[in-house]
Amino acid sequence: DADVTQTPRNRITKTGKRIMLECSQTKGHDRMYWYRQDPGLGLRLIYYSFDVKDINKGEISDGYSVSRQAQAKFSLSLESAIPNQTALYFCATSAPGLAGAGYNEQFFGPGTRLTVL
Amino acid sequence: GQNIDQPTEMTATEGAIVQINCTYQTSGFNGLFWYQQHAGEAPTFLSYNVLDGLEEKGRFSSFLSRSKGYSYLLLKELQMKDSASYLCAVRRTGANNLFFGTGTRLTVIP
Repeated sequence: DADVTQTPRNRITKTGKRIMLECSQTKGHDRMYWYRQDPGLGLRLIYYSFDVKDINKGEISDGYSVSRQAQAKFSLSLESAIPNQTALYFCATSAPGLAGAGYNEQFFGPGTRLTVL
Repeated sequence: GQNIDQPTEMTATEGAIVQINCTYQTSGFNGLFWYQQHAGEAPTFLSYNVLDGLEEKGRFSSFLSRSKGYSYLLLKELQMKDSASYLCAVRRTGANNLFFGTGTRLTVIP
């Protein structure tokens, strides 16, 4: 079973529609992230959360919002989708850095391909 | 801010060795990661360097020089399945998120 799951895997929607992408994890990690990936631009961070009460903006948060419903769930919403939000969206999780190592490998979900027409 | 540069594409022959370079400029450095991403799939972790030197893990090795803002990923005994994008990512001091380069798409040919 996958440790980090995302739903839906593919979505086509129209400009102006509200859409929610969901992420669930069974790794027991406190930290969760949302990225988008565009050709030629790499992965860019949208929002991240270090626990249920902690939400932080990333590089490109405009036009997005998030909700951390539980330790295992982190949702990304597009309140009014626009075509330039067409991208591949990834959720990721990580544990706090190991003592003395500062290591926080991120584990990625399978991605959601979103198309906004 | 931070700038992370990698070559866009590389081609190498099955069985050969290939080196993928990454240069970075960042205000505070606290670790460099390499990820592998096959087309349409999630990135998967390959290596982590925070101190200067070479980290070896099987066919893959990663090198870091903090003074030069430089890292490379070395892939030995290339296999066809190594055809993928390789992402360099930097973590800044005081931050816990990663900043990714645009990735290097490696094609392994017979």
